[in-house]
Amino acid sequence: EPEVTQTPSHQVTQMGQEVILRCVPISNHLYFYWYRQILGQKVEFLVSFYNNEISEKSEIFDDQFSVERPDGSNFTLKIRSTKLEDSAMYFCASSFQTGFNYGYTFGSGTRLTVV
Amino acid sequence: GDSVTQMEGPVTLSEEAFLTINCTYTATGYPSLFWYVQYPGEGLQLLLKATKADDKGSNKGFEATYRKETTSFHLEKGSVQVSDSAVYFCALSDPDFGNEKLTFGTGTRLTIIP
Repeated sequence: EPEVTQTPSHQVTQMGQEVILRCVPISNHLYFYWYRQILGQKVEFLVSFYNNEISEKSEIFDDQFSVERPDGSNFTLKIRSTKLEDSAMYFCASSFQTGFNYGYTFGSGTRLTVV
Repeated sequence: GDSVTQMEGPVTLSEEAFLTINCTYTATGYPSLFWYVQYPGEGLQLLLKATKADDKGSNKGFEATYRKETTSFHLEKGSVQVSDSAVYFCALSDPDFGNEKLTFGTGTRLTIIP
């Protein structure tokens, strides 16, 4: 069964450093998403991406965050200057059609620890 | 805005017990409803879904029925197994809200003891 692949599985970074989280969505999917889950809390929407542009973003997704699909296969989330409160599990997801009809396929996540 | 309210956990059951995890929702439109499961150390997996009223989603012995009149989507399983131990998330996506994002509940941690 096709998978969404995320790398790395765990990243530790110092506060103030830039991090890039990488995702390879399912190859024929058109819609891409990032979600995060702070330990013990609910899964929160960050951003959706379609046709090479952001289609929606949450209030969490401030100027420190950016997304890119640099080469038609990867989908990245960049955090420019990490803060302690950015520590969370970050999930990438993709869907062929808009998610509400099909449900997404999620990756297994990248655990980001900011120290 | 949209929201999902889930039964608080943790829930601990004996093997072969009957499971219900309650989920109710608030949405401006006519949402699609989902249950996702997160096994220890893994990502979110779609367990089942329903896209219109009275639809029943089912998978791996789990079922949930979309009840518009009570705005609910409770998850049930007749006989749980140790391998069902995981965190279960109810979620919705509301097309009338003009986007495709999922709104999640807080998750319910289920532990099944032999």
